[in-house]
Amino acid sequence: KQEVTQIPAALSVPEGENLVLNCSFTDSAIYNLQWFRQDPGKGLTSLLLIQSSQREQTSGRLNASLDKSSGRSTLYIAASQPGDSATYLCALHNTDKLIFGTGTRLQVFP
Amino acid sequence: GAGVSQSPSNKVTEKGKDVELRCDPISGHTALYWYRQSLGQGLEFLIYFQGNSAPDKSGLPSDRFSAERTGGSVSTLTIQRTQQEDSAVYLCASSLVAGDYYGYTFGSGTRLTVV
Repeated sequence: KQEVTQIPAALSVPEGENLVLNCSFTDSAIYNLQWFRQDPGKGLTSLLLIQSSQREQTSGRLNASLDKSSGRSTLYIAASQPGDSATYLCALHNTDKLIFGTGTRLQVFP
Repeated sequence: GAGVSQSPSNKVTEKGKDVELRCDPISGHTALYWYRQSLGQGLEFLIYFQGNSAPDKSGLPSDRFSAERTGGSVSTLTIQRTQQEDSAVYLCASSLVAGDYYGYTFGSGTRLTVV
């Protein structure tokens, strides 16, 4: 059974810091990996999608990498801002559905 | 539509009553998914549809939960005889096809509170 773990569970930092959020999974037989953010009381917003043949994707201040052989993905947030405060979820595309990680709750304070 | 639409956004119901939650996927998306997020918990898969059929309903927690999809579009998740442990945010997502190469789009969810 695929298990997806995110570390750290929570993170509180001053704005301006560069951050690394980690996602690890037990079964490397995945299709794609997607990073989402969730604001309190809201749905999920897709941030980055890494296809299984790719190793990384970039969008603005965000960069996500995928290493299937080691069962890891990393989301890098550069120059963090208070508006980045949210819960970040990684999700594995496993044939017909998404399997979500446990999430990292990020707070960036001014 | 432009996005995945869910209704109602909030629902408060008395224990024992039945509730229906609605999801309107992105036009043209053939796959539709239901997830549940309980307070302090991760996202739990419930069921997915490819067209009008549900190849995987393994995540439905009990026989009080059912879902249907008609016309390959709108889906309804029904919870019968609601219990307090059913309180959660119910999220719907759609994709072009199941296991879509281009990713999933989520709605804003329905927050269900059973009192």
